[in-house]
Amino acid sequence: GEDVEQSLFLSVREGDSSVINCTYTDSSSTYLYWYKQEPGAGLQLLTYIFSNMDMKQDQRLTVLLNKKDKHLSLRIADTQTGDSAIYFCAEVLTGSARQLTFGSGTQLTVLP
Amino acid sequence: DGGITQSPKYLFRKEGQNVTLSCEQNLNHDAMYWYRQDPGQGLRLIYYSQIVNDFQKGDIAEGYSVSREKKESFPLTVTSAQKNPTAFYLCASSIEPSGGAGRNEQFFGPGTRLTVL
Repeated sequence: GEDVEQSLFLSVREGDSSVINCTYTDSSSTYLYWYKQEPGAGLQLLTYIFSNMDMKQDQRLTVLLNKKDKHLSLRIADTQTGDSAIYFCAEVLTGSARQLTFGSGTQLTVLP
Repeated sequence: DGGITQSPKYLFRKEGQNVTLSCEQNLNHDAMYWYRQDPGQGLRLIYYSQIVNDFQKGDIAEGYSVSREKKESFPLTVTSAQKNPTAFYLCASSIEPSGGAGRNEQFFGPGTRLTVL
């Protein structure tokens, strides 16, 4: 089973905000990441958040972290067609040689 | 430009054949990783290497082998023992091996799509 869970699909209209959610299992995770994957390509790191932070904003991207509920979200403001991609959240598990564990990915489709 | 390259982009293999996927990085990173991606699933770790001449099995190492003779290179061999090798394979690297206090941010190559005919 997945240690990191995401819903598989999300559709939004161009110009709206997108919110992609993720739940993780390891409460001692130090860093949590969001990666973007465009069709047929590798993963691109979008942003990360350190576990002692609640929120991080970087231009159109806002990451919210709720440690109590082990919930991570990525908000994309003013979503554009170029934002259509698969978005993965990932956590670093302690005691696992600091490997990344990835969620299954959320396919974001931006409709015109 | 620094980065990670994977070759080939597409690879076709007949059943029963071994095939080797190339991964090269010029980022001077110590750690390198191989992942497998299947549709609708996250990335699953096949092998990783924290330093030259050393590597460890990941979650799905059966049917795969690796070597790390040079810092910049981490080739993956998909053997005939791998029962369902058709997938998208991603290589990644990070600046520090395990145990570091930093982010362990991983940088990814463009991937190789392997199809078994």
